[in-house]
Amino acid sequence: AQSVTQPDIHITVSEGASLELRCNYSYGATPYLFWYVQSPGQGLQLLLKYFSGDTLVQGIKGFEAEFKRSQSSFNLRKPSVHWSDAAEYFCAVGGDFGNEKLTFGTGTRLTIIP
Amino acid sequence: KAGVTQTPRYLIKTRGQQVTLSCSPISGHRSVSWYQQTPGQGLQFLFEYFSETQRNKGNFPGRFSGRQFSNSRSEMNVSTLELGDSALYLCASSSDSSKTGELFFGEGSRLTVL
Repeated sequence: AQSVTQPDIHITVSEGASLELRCNYSYGATPYLFWYVQSPGQGLQLLLKYFSGDTLVQGIKGFEAEFKRSQSSFNLRKPSVHWSDAAEYFCAVGGDFGNEKLTFGTGTRLTIIP
Repeated sequence: KAGVTQTPRYLIKTRGQQVTLSCSPISGHRSVSWYQQTPGQGLQFLFEYFSETQRNKGNFPGRFSGRQFSNSRSEMNVSTLELGDSALYLCASSSDSSKTGELFFGEGSRLTVL
């Protein structure tokens, strides 16, 4: 069964500082990996995705993530955070086409301090 | 094009009642998935419909049901509501041609059971 672990429940960073959110997955084959962001009271917005090819993927809002198969990780990074980045971030893993179920991690809440 | 639309956005019910939530997917998307989001359990997969057929089902009791219409719109129903059913219910649609399971989420329906 597929699973996702986000070890950090809550992270606080200063505005302008760099950010890395951790994600580890378990999946038997090549996974499809996603990062979603959720602002309070809102749905989930896709930040970026990895399916194949280049292991460093770029997303919206200046985010990027790197797929490392050897570490079963897909960490999200941003070089300089903005106050508007405060939100909850979810890593998700999916797989075979035809199985549209995504398995989500428990999320990491990001707080930005001025 | 318009995103995923969920109605109602907020609703309050009492224990024992039933509720129906509606989801209109992105035009052209034939897959609709439902997720329950709670602070304690995170995002949990309820079920997924494709072309009016339930294709995947999560581990929820039979009180939770859904259906999909020929225009791909979907409804989910929860009968005999319990306090623990209070949650944000998220609908997501995906394109059959994506072959990746990428989901596009609505803003959710927040259900409070008193």
